Amino acid sequence: DAKTTQPTSMDCAEGRAANLPCNHSTISGNEYVYWYRQIHSQGPQYIIHGLKNNETNEMASLIITEDRKSSTLILPHATLRDTAVYYCIVRGVNNNDMRFGAGTRLTVKP
Amino acid sequence: DTGVSQDPRHKITKRGQNVTFRCDPISEHNRLYWYRQTLGQGPEFLTYFQNEAQLEKSRLLSDRFSAERPKGSFSTLEIQRTEQGDSAMYLCASSLAGNAETQYFGPGTRLLVL
Repeated sequence: DAKTTQPTSMDCAEGRAANLPCNHSTISGNEYVYWYRQIHSQGPQYIIHGLKNNETNEMASLIITEDRKSSTLILPHATLRDTAVYYCIVRGVNNNDMRFGAGTRLTVKP
Repeated sequence: DTGVSQDPRHKITKRGQNVTFRCDPISEHNRLYWYRQTLGQGPEFLTYFQNEAQLEKSRLLSDRFSAERPKGSFSTLEIQRTEQGDSAMYLCASSLAGNAETQYFGPGTRLLVL
């Protein structure tokens, strides 16, 4: 399975865009990129996923590079409630579990 | 609220006691997963069911752990003879099987073994 590398922590000012990077240089052609976040003491929350194309939903945008070796999760207007640990996960169709790493701790500051 | 519920939310027990946790998935989901999360770490996979069949177990799932999903709906996770190292958050997730399936997590059960 492809592994992911994320920065340990990041800060973002409230109201600004938060751009969270993820490297997955060994990703295979049939592996999806998923993003989850976990707010303190809660279960992980699904944000978005993609295969090749950029994706957008009501929560975030996912930008995947053309070579698929990295991606960026964009929270367009971060709020204090977006403070959480963000996990980037690469999952193949033959894998049945989500393999979480340590994630990026995003702190949104007023 | 994802629609996945877990009970209890918190459990304190003494070493050596047995504990059982319950997970109710989103009703139309045919897959159900159990994960464990210790402080400062990401969730780790324990086991999963497709309908009532338990299809995969992690090596983390020692023989003191057993999980069931008798009617393909709710699931239980039992830990026998608990140890202090079992203290963790136990998370349940459910999904609809498919290529790009998305797992939706419950709020978790936090276990403390004294």
